[in-house]
Amino acid sequence: DTGVSQDPRHKITKRGQNVTFRCDPISEHNRLYWYRQTLGQGPEFLTYFQNEAQLEKSRLLSDRFSAERPKGSFSTLEIQRTEQGDSAMYLCASSLVVGHYGYTFGSGTRLTVV
Amino acid sequence: AQRVTQPEKLLSVFKGAPVELKCNYSYSGSPELFWYVQYSRQRLQLLLRHISRESIKGFTADLNKGETSFHLKKPFAQEEDSAMYYCALGSGNTGKLIFGQGTTLQVKP
Repeated sequence: DTGVSQDPRHKITKRGQNVTFRCDPISEHNRLYWYRQTLGQGPEFLTYFQNEAQLEKSRLLSDRFSAERPKGSFSTLEIQRTEQGDSAMYLCASSLVVGHYGYTFGSGTRLTVV
Repeated sequence: AQRVTQPEKLLSVFKGAPVELKCNYSYSGSPELFWYVQYSRQRLQLLLRHISRESIKGFTADLNKGETSFHLKKPFAQEEDSAMYYCALGSGNTGKLIFGQGTTLQVKP
C-alpha cells in the first residue's frame, strides 16, 4: 500500500467542461475526505464518506459538484460546468473511524480552469 | 463559530533560534487540535496532535484552553524545518478538520 493516491496530478480544462478526479485511499481506512485548497489558504472541507455513505457536504459544494464512493473503496469527485473559481488544489485524505483524525493526505489534483 | 487563526503568514528565523508558530482557535466543545506540515513538493502530513502530547522532530505544542491557543514550538530551528505549517481543529465526531491559513516557516542559515 503506497498511501493515498490521487489522479490526475494536474488538470487543465476549459470553462464549462466537466472534470472528474479519483482518489484511492489506504485500503483499511473507512473514512475518506475531500478538501479544496486555494492559493494562500488552508484546506477547506468539502465532503466525507464513511465506507460508501456520504455523511456530510459543505456549503462550498454547489450543485455542480458531486462525489461518490460506490463500494467504499475509491472515490470520485466530479465538477460539472467548471468555472474559473473552481481552480484550486483538490485534496483527498483517508483515516480510520477510531483514532484522532490521523489523516493521510494524497498529493492532490491541481485544477486550472481557463 | 468554529475557527482557527494563524496570525503570521511568514515567520523567518535563523538556524538555532527558537521558533513559535501561533495558533488560536474558537470552539465551544472539547477541542481536538493538530499541526500539519507541508515540505516543499511534498504532501501535507500530520506533525503532531495535542492528545498524544508527543514531541516530533523536536516540536511540541501545548493546548491552552484558557487562551484557546495551541502554539507550536521548537527550541532550536533547523534549516530542514523550513515548510508550511497548518494548525487544524477537529470538529465533533465526523473527523472533519478546520484548518488555519498556514504559516510559512523560513529558517535561514
